Amino acid sequence: EVQLVESGGGLVQPGGSLRLSCAASGLTLSDHYMEWVRQSPGKGLEWVGLIRKKADRDTTEYAASVKGRFTISRDDSKNSFYLQMNSLKIEDTAVYYCARDLSGGLKNYWGQGTLVTVSS
Amino acid sequence: DVVMTQSPLSLPVTLGQPASISCRSSQSLVYSNGKTYLNWFQQRPGQSPRRLIYQVSNREYGVPDRFSGSGSGTDFTLEISRVEAEDVGVYYCMQGTHWPPRTFGQGTKLEIK
Repeated sequence: EVQLVESGGGLVQPGGSLRLSCAASGLTLSDHYMEWVRQSPGKGLEWVGLIRKKADRDTTEYAASVKGRFTISRDDSKNSFYLQMNSLKIEDTAVYYCARDLSGGLKNYWGQGTLVTVSS
Repeated sequence: DVVMTQSPLSLPVTLGQPASISCRSSQSLVYSNGKTYLNWFQQRPGQSPRRLIYQVSNREYGVPDRFSGSGSGTDFTLEISRVEAEDVGVYYCMQGTHWPPRTFGQGTKLEIK
């Protein structure tokens, strides 16, 4: 059974940093596109970014709202991938979900989400 | 960026009755390979989203066959043939053709009358 488990959320001050993790079991992350999606309180879904599979050179893409501040990476030895968030803003407050390939033909999986609160 | 527009945003439905959600994109979602990367997600209260439909009309494994997707180009529809209590939640369309960024619709909240 495939499981994605996020961790690392919490309370951080504006301008601060946080690193979210998404650990996988039941699938090898390096074989898939892996994505981050966030949801601000009471709002809809917003795509944050993704990391391509190893065969596609692990390249990354980001939403304009986070580009230059957020970085996605992967550690194949831990079968985990990460969202490094720097220069956090109040509007980054959201539940962050990791997911496997939102638009491909393979079964889609999501984690349970981790809450990031940016507040002074 | 491709703008995804859903309607209605609120959908009260009687149990056992059909429901339909529309999703329109600001440009055609047909990719150069001929495929159309339009997806539908369901988010039940307090839960993570889950994908119901991919490439317009393909149901995810385990999704009941009362859910169906249709459409082409810029106009798409998610239909539920007979609404059940477990279908309460918010439904989102998302395009995966012209990215980055992937873009979601605003969401349609389905509730039972």
